[in-house]
Amino acid sequence: DAGVTQSPTHLIKTRGQHVTLRCSPISGHKSVSWYQQVLGQGPQFIFQYYEKEERGRGNFPDRFSARQFPNYSSELNVNALLLGDSALYLCASSPTMVFYGYTFGSGTRLTVV
Amino acid sequence: AQSVTQLGSHVSVSEGALVLLRCNYSSSVPPYLFWYVQYPNQGLQLLLKYTSAATLVKGINGFEAEFKKSETSFHLTKPSAHMSDAAEYFCAVSAGDDKIIFGKGTRLHILP
Repeated sequence: DAGVTQSPTHLIKTRGQHVTLRCSPISGHKSVSWYQQVLGQGPQFIFQYYEKEERGRGNFPDRFSARQFPNYSSELNVNALLLGDSALYLCASSPTMVFYGYTFGSGTRLTVV
Repeated sequence: AQSVTQLGSHVSVSEGALVLLRCNYSSSVPPYLFWYVQYPNQGLQLLLKYTSAATLVKGINGFEAEFKKSETSFHLTKPSAHMSDAAEYFCAVSAGDDKIIFGKGTRLHILP
């Protein structure tokens, strides 16, 4: 079975631009979460979606938004990019809302110049 | 609220020696606890998890961790280090709701 897949793997954007990152969860997993990992730090929680509804949001500005589609795949959108948004963006999936261990994708490396 | 403190941003051990990575947690509710490993330029891989069953948890690649409520600790151990264990290790805590709170990570170096 395929794991959590993320696209693209690498991305370079200019300050002020918009970016869309994509995630396909493991088949049968209905929960998708997004994390931001800045170099040298642990991942920070951005969003969780379950059954296409937002179930949790971390301490990130409104420039960050996400959605989950009927097939449970998800998009993370970031508007008005700042240099500080440069990071590895990780998507994780799990079967249900009750958390017992996420499976993470390999991430999208975003560089803002 | 939950939080995790990992003691030591870098740990070096000789190949074949005991690996001990320290993690202390804070949680207002009974926690779920995790250890993840991250190899360079990769995502996170779950090593093991504690979900209120046995306090000694065995994971993949010979790692194990013991939940000690009285010490609010969840240290990761491996009896004999291998060169392939060199990576970044993250301890994490969750209340079982919507998010995992990660520590800052410990980079494990294996000396030949």
